[in-house]
Amino acid sequence: AQSVTQPDIHITVSEGASLELRCNYSYGATPYLFWYVQSPGQGLQLLLKYFSGDTLVQGIKGFEAEFKRSQSSFNLRKPSVHWSDAAEYFCAVGAGMGMRFGAGTRLTVKP
Amino acid sequence: EPEVTQTPSHQVTQMGQEVILRCVPISNHLYFYWYRQILGQKVEFLVSFYNNEISEKSEIFDDQFSVERPDGSNFTLKIRSTKLEDSAMYFCASSELQGRSGTQYFGPGTRLLVL
Repeated sequence: AQSVTQPDIHITVSEGASLELRCNYSYGATPYLFWYVQSPGQGLQLLLKYFSGDTLVQGIKGFEAEFKRSQSSFNLRKPSVHWSDAAEYFCAVGAGMGMRFGAGTRLTVKP
Repeated sequence: EPEVTQTPSHQVTQMGQEVILRCVPISNHLYFYWYRQILGQKVEFLVSFYNNEISEKSEIFDDQFSVERPDGSNFTLKIRSTKLEDSAMYFCASSELQGRSGTQYFGPGTRLLVL
């Protein structure tokens, strides 16, 4: 069955520090992978997606993610975090018609 | 930039009442979806819809739920007899392409509270 695991429920980083959010997926075929961000009380905004090709994908707001098939991972990174990045981040895999989401990682940014 | 819109933003209802949540997908999209997120939990897929038919549904989408595209722009989710556990944020999404290769764009959600 398709599934997504985000091992870290909550991460705190200092503003300006680098960030890596982990995502592991389970899917039988070539996965279509996504990262979404959800600010408090808001909807889901697409940060980036991987369908095929270059395994390092660039997204909005300075985020990037790297697809590693051997590790079944699709980790999200940002070299320097801004206070406005504080939010909930969801990794998702395209599965059939609907997507399957991870449980999310809540990011807190310290001044 | 085109957006998915949802109304109402908040809805409070009594247990056993029917509710209809409304969505206007992005205009050139053909595939529509509903998801829900119970407070503090993950986003869960409910149903996908294409060409006036349900194309996939999850085990959550039981007989209490139905979806409809009543006209050329709206996409609705009806819950016939709400239960306390239906309290959640409900997200509508749409995509231009089908299936797992179609990037889904989400609306801002409707927060449903069942009392």
